[in-house]
Amino acid sequence: QVQLMESGGGLVKPRGSLRVSCTVSGFRLSEYYMSWIRQAPGKGLEWISSISTSGSITDYADSVKGRFIVSRVNANNSVYLQMNSLTADDTAVYYCAREMIGGQGGGYFDNWGQGTLVTVSS
Amino acid sequence: EIVMTQSPATLSVSPGERATLSCRASQSISSNLAWYQQRPGQPPRLLIYAASTRATGIPARFRGSGSGTEFTLTISSLQSEDFAVYYCQQYNNRPQPFGQGTTVEIK
Repeated sequence: QVQLMESGGGLVKPRGSLRVSCTVSGFRLSEYYMSWIRQAPGKGLEWISSISTSGSITDYADSVKGRFIVSRVNANNSVYLQMNSLTADDTAVYYCAREMIGGQGGGYFDNWGQGTLVTVSS
Repeated sequence: EIVMTQSPATLSVSPGERATLSCRASQSISSNLAWYQQRPGQPPRLLIYAASTRATGIPARFRGSGSGTEFTLTISSLQSEDFAVYYCQQYNNRPQPFGQGTTVEIK
């Protein structure tokens, strides 16, 4: 069955960096766009980044553009989110999700990981 | 950027009753809308895509409708496991934001 598992979350100081990973199984990663979505404590869902099947196309929410970098290694069944210049506003559970493309290039998310908590605090 | 607005913020419903949740897009998104359910401590789960197509394994009591800018999720007879937060999300184009969520609570 399809499974996604995030790892790498933890406590990081303001202005610090962290890389979270998503390892997948049960499907061919190379055939799907993948996305990162976060949820601050007690808040709603915020899409933050997507990456195309080959990794050649990436997309970011304005809130993280210029600070976060998404990447993937299909051969390793893994997707990554490098987060730099972190602030308290980045404290959230970070989910990776498989994206199903529809519409005019946007996609919905049919499978999600359990999430990894990133806490930015001194 | 398209803005998604859900109403109401909280819906109080008795078990066995019907719940009707609304989602509005700031501009037309055709039928490119998904609904998700999130139970406490769990990741979101896809319920509906293409405005009205149930995802795999989703019970028939969940029904999505609408197109353009106005969408509705109807839960025909609420079960205990349906008390949760529901989000809509547009995917007509990028970025693909979520609504702010509707909490369905036990009355």
